[in-house]
Amino acid sequence: DGGITQSPKYLFRKEGQNVTLSCEQNLNHDAMYWYRQDPGQGLRLIYYSQIVNDFQKGDIAEGYSVSREKKESFPLTVTSAQKNPTAFYLCASSTPPREVGNEQFFGPGTRLTVL
Amino acid sequence: AQSVAQPEDQVNVAEGNPLTVKCTYSVSGNPYLFWYVQYPNRGLQFLLKYITGDNLVKGSYGFEAEFNKSQTSFHLKKPSALVSDSALYFCAVRDPNSNSGYALNFGKGTSLLVTP
Repeated sequence: DGGITQSPKYLFRKEGQNVTLSCEQNLNHDAMYWYRQDPGQGLRLIYYSQIVNDFQKGDIAEGYSVSREKKESFPLTVTSAQKNPTAFYLCASSTPPREVGNEQFFGPGTRLTVL
Repeated sequence: AQSVAQPEDQVNVAEGNPLTVKCTYSVSGNPYLFWYVQYPNRGLQFLLKYITGDNLVKGSYGFEAEFNKSQTSFHLKKPSALVSDSALYFCAVRDPNSNSGYALNFGKGTSLLVTP
């Protein structure tokens, strides 16, 4: 899983609560990404950030928010507006976005369950 | 628009036999193609990529993939499967001409089961 850490590994949330998933990387990568994985649907992009203090919505951003105050960190908040948040969440990073051929490195993931 | 398709939800192969996991893509420009593997409850691990050059790309753990522009395919192959290869495999594409950022577009994944 390279130099990317995600915490916690398992997270349980009650309906109506906001929760924040942590993602930290020590690879000195500029770009970071959040994906959601559901069985049989592959990975879907939630948010991405190409540089500090900047981020963009992905395909399924509704009900989620992010911040990128530091290069190493890209936390994801799952808000109460996300109607079906139970899923496996994966964070990734890559070297400068202009080098489009570079692969992404993934963290170990956080499994979020809504009770 | 860019997309990637993995037509098989599951592939079963006996240990020692060759394996193929299929992937086709659709992008507006020349694609950048990737294969990743995922073990249960783990993140994705990079296997190999095609950017340019030789159509046959060799990667980690004895895997290779062949880029076929005319068939818009990038099938993953291994000459002799191991039980430990059993996992979920994802094909991904990035269109260098896309203005949607540099995130990857993933297929839905193919579950590979190698039986002893």
